Amino acid sequence: DIQMTQSPSTLSASVGDRVTISCRASQNIRTWLAWYQQKPGKAPNVLIYQVSNLESGVPSRFSGSGSGTEFTLTISSLQPDDFATYYCQEYSSYSWTFGQGTKVEIK
Amino acid sequence: QVQLVESGGGVVQPGRSLRLSCTASGFTFSNYGMHWVRQAPGKGLEWVAVIWYDGSNEFYADSVKGRFTISRDNSKNTQYLQMNSLRAEDTAVYYCARHAIAVADVPYYFDYWGQGILVTVSS
Repeated sequence: DIQMTQSPSTLSASVGDRVTISCRASQNIRTWLAWYQQKPGKAPNVLIYQVSNLESGVPSRFSGSGSGTEFTLTISSLQPDDFATYYCQEYSSYSWTFGQGTKVEIK
Repeated sequence: QVQLVESGGGVVQPGRSLRLSCTASGFTFSNYGMHWVRQAPGKGLEWVAVIWYDGSNEFYADSVKGRFTISRDNSKNTQYLQMNSLRAEDTAVYYCARHAIAVADVPYYFDYWGQGILVTVSS
């Protein structure tokens, strides 16, 4: 099975900061990677699919990059609405594995 | 607009069964694969199962294989998760989610999620 490892687990940042979250796959998943945002008590929302494609309605301050086994989610200028937990997910196989999550907290 | 509404959750004793439902609206249900994803209290997301748009195939996480069964009734715009032999570690919020590509039998991401339903397995 594919394992997805995110880092860091928790990130403290201020409004306006540039934030980067990493996601590593245990094997080559090509570009079959999505990122989700989840706020407490709510369902996840997709931000990015196929590494770098922004889902409709997602602000352009979110971007994604990478391929193979190393991926990154970047928030160019953190906004108050962005404090949440972020998950990467691979969909290269029939297992749809999520990373363990990265919580972005207010510094 | 797309809506997914889960129902059927609650408190159940270990070893017993429970069936969750997810009723869809706002799109052609029969064109989309559907998933179940769960989240244990304070934990991350775990994919549980998928059923293809036409019901032709199903896949399961190892943690539920042989105990859970996913199914769908396209005439009712509803998918189900039959959960048998429940364990304490099955306690979670269960979300249904839509496969983000229509009429497909290949892995893809999830574009819409329900609000989730809590299942608690406890004696």
